Amino acid sequence: DAKTTQPTSMDCAEGRAANLPCNHSTISGNEYVYWYRQIHSQGPQYIIHGLKNNETNEMASLIITEDRKSSTLILPHATLRDTAVYYCIVRNSGNTPLVFGKGTRLSVIA
Amino acid sequence: DGGITQSPKYLFRKEGQNVTLSCEQNLNHDAMYWYRQDPGQGLRLIYYSQIVNDFQKGDIAEGYSVSREKKESFPLTVTSAQKNPTAFYLCASSRLAGRTGELFFGEGSRLTVL
Repeated sequence: DAKTTQPTSMDCAEGRAANLPCNHSTISGNEYVYWYRQIHSQGPQYIIHGLKNNETNEMASLIITEDRKSSTLILPHATLRDTAVYYCIVRNSGNTPLVFGKGTRLSVIA
Repeated sequence: DGGITQSPKYLFRKEGQNVTLSCEQNLNHDAMYWYRQDPGQGLRLIYYSQIVNDFQKGDIAEGYSVSREKKESFPLTVTSAQKNPTAFYLCASSRLAGRTGELFFGEGSRLTVL
């Protein structure tokens, strides 16, 4: 599976959009981009995933560049409860386990 | 409600003792996983199982053992051979078929070796 690169940490003001970038320049054609988040001392929570089209659900939007070498997770109106570590993961369409990196620690500030 | 239950939430053990962490799911998922997390680090895969009576080693399987006798259950034993067992252990499950690959995690078990 392709490797991902994320910033170590980011801050975001409460109520503003949080844009979390992820680079995956070695992604291959059958690999999906997944986003999870982990609130302190809890199990990670699935947020969203996509292949090449932009995706939106009730939690977030996922924007994938046309060349698929990078993506951005957008939390449209960040709240204090969105403070967490966000993991960007690339995985093929098979059943291989997800490989978690260190993620981005997002701090939402009042 | 459907979900994954890990127990115990906190566990203390003395060096040289084996300890077993429980993981049960009622989501009818085929695949189950164990991850380990150390402070400030991401999750590392210990073992996973995609079908009953079969499992595969992950990246850090040494010092751990698992069994998968039932679809719903995937216990992890931390043996005395594991040199640094103090960590946060997370169990997860997923459907096997299909492309979503969404993992559902338990709340974790925090093991401290005294």
